[in-house]
Amino acid sequence: DVKVTQSSRYLVKRTGEKVFLECVQDMDHENMFWYRQDPGLGLRLIYFSYDVKMKEKGDIPEGYSVSREKKERFSLILESASTNQTSMYLCASSSGDRYTEAFFGQGTRLTVV
Amino acid sequence: DQQVKQNSPSLSVQEGRISILNCDYTNSMFDYFLWYKKYPAEGPTFLISISSIKDKNEDGRFTVFLNKSAKHLSLHIVPSQPGDSAVYFCAASAEGGSEKLVFGKGTKLTVNP
Repeated sequence: DVKVTQSSRYLVKRTGEKVFLECVQDMDHENMFWYRQDPGLGLRLIYFSYDVKMKEKGDIPEGYSVSREKKERFSLILESASTNQTSMYLCASSSGDRYTEAFFGQGTRLTVV
Repeated sequence: DQQVKQNSPSLSVQEGRISILNCDYTNSMFDYFLWYKKYPAEGPTFLISISSIKDKNEDGRFTVFLNKSAKHLSLHIVPSQPGDSAVYFCAASAEGGSEKLVFGKGTKLTVNP
């Protein structure tokens, strides 16, 4: 079974803190993604990576950065957390095959106070 | 501008009846479409997909229909079960789009016993 594991289910951080969200996949997938889910807004893509050390901005990259030093690990970094970054963060991975699904982690509910 | 639209935020059906969830898209480059199911506090799970060379794909109780000329797809669940109660997301990817998925805002399905 494909497994995408996010390091935390719930996090509470203070405004201005630097926050790291970690994601690991065990299927040797080329592609990895970070989305955030907010009520009424669906899933919005923050960043994605199609190879080690490669990254591309998604639809809402402002306030975020990413790191992919190893194929199996994709980190999302909030440089200075703000209350409007309170959200559910979802990591996903997919193979390089064009017509296959992405697999999601269980999500991290981040609250910034 | 939203490229994938799910215009019904919610849908309520009786157990045993058919659930029909709809999705419209605007980007004519989309050629692969997926449906995901999401329970609260969990990551989305893949349900069913369809490529643009087909107009129907079936998997057990779930059938997805694609009408390319109308840029419309629908998910049929027959018969609906209380365990199907979840948020359903429609997603699409485009040729040359780096396999990233564009999601709709979701439809919350409630199946009443």
